[in-house]
Amino acid sequence: GAVVSQHPSRVICKSGTSVKIECRSLDFQATTMFWYRQFPKQSLMLMATSNEGSKATYEQGVEKDKFLINHASLTLSTLTVTSAHPEDSSFYICSALSYHRPYEQYFGPGTRLTVT
Amino acid sequence: GIQVEQSPPDLILQEGANSTLRCNFSDSVNNLQWFHQNPWGQLINLFYIPSGTKQNGRLSATTVATERYSLLYISSSQTTDSGVYFCASGGRAAGNKLTFGGGTRVLVKP
Repeated sequence: GAVVSQHPSRVICKSGTSVKIECRSLDFQATTMFWYRQFPKQSLMLMATSNEGSKATYEQGVEKDKFLINHASLTLSTLTVTSAHPEDSSFYICSALSYHRPYEQYFGPGTRLTVT
Repeated sequence: GIQVEQSPPDLILQEGANSTLRCNFSDSVNNLQWFHQNPWGQLINLFYIPSGTKQNGRLSATTVATERYSLLYISSSQTTDSGVYFCASGGRAAGNKLTFGGGTRVLVKP
């Protein structure tokens, strides 16, 4: 149980274009989803918290107009990187909390974004 | 916010050896998780352990909340244990958010 998927697993896009990443909880309903960013050989940094039906809460220093988050249902959250630039290249990981285990986060497999 | 520090940053083990990884956190917490990140980047939940001791096979973890640290024990290490181990913690004021430590990069040699 507690499986989280992400799509796509890897994406290459050109500078200036937008990319959408999906995060789905497959076997549970997620009250809250989180989006993290990880640079090579570094730790995970929380970008934003996403609650179903409400606006996302962004961490300090994260541009909300650049990283658009939509949590349309209890099983789906999306992260859209708008007008991507090479410095946005990174590994993006989502996680989810369930109603039944509200403190333990379960993570998706991550999406590797490369902006050329 | 809460600070999370892990030690050591790197660890090289011979297969079969035992090891202890440490996680210190700066404030009282209501959430402490240990993860293993495999070479493909997937974080695998090892333990949810805000206090007490748990064991799962060759791995065990202990959190002493009053002293603000957690330990992860790996016994009889195998090459498949290689990867990065993260602890992450959430303070009472942070709701359900996690702050990650810097990780311990483990390499188990055959």
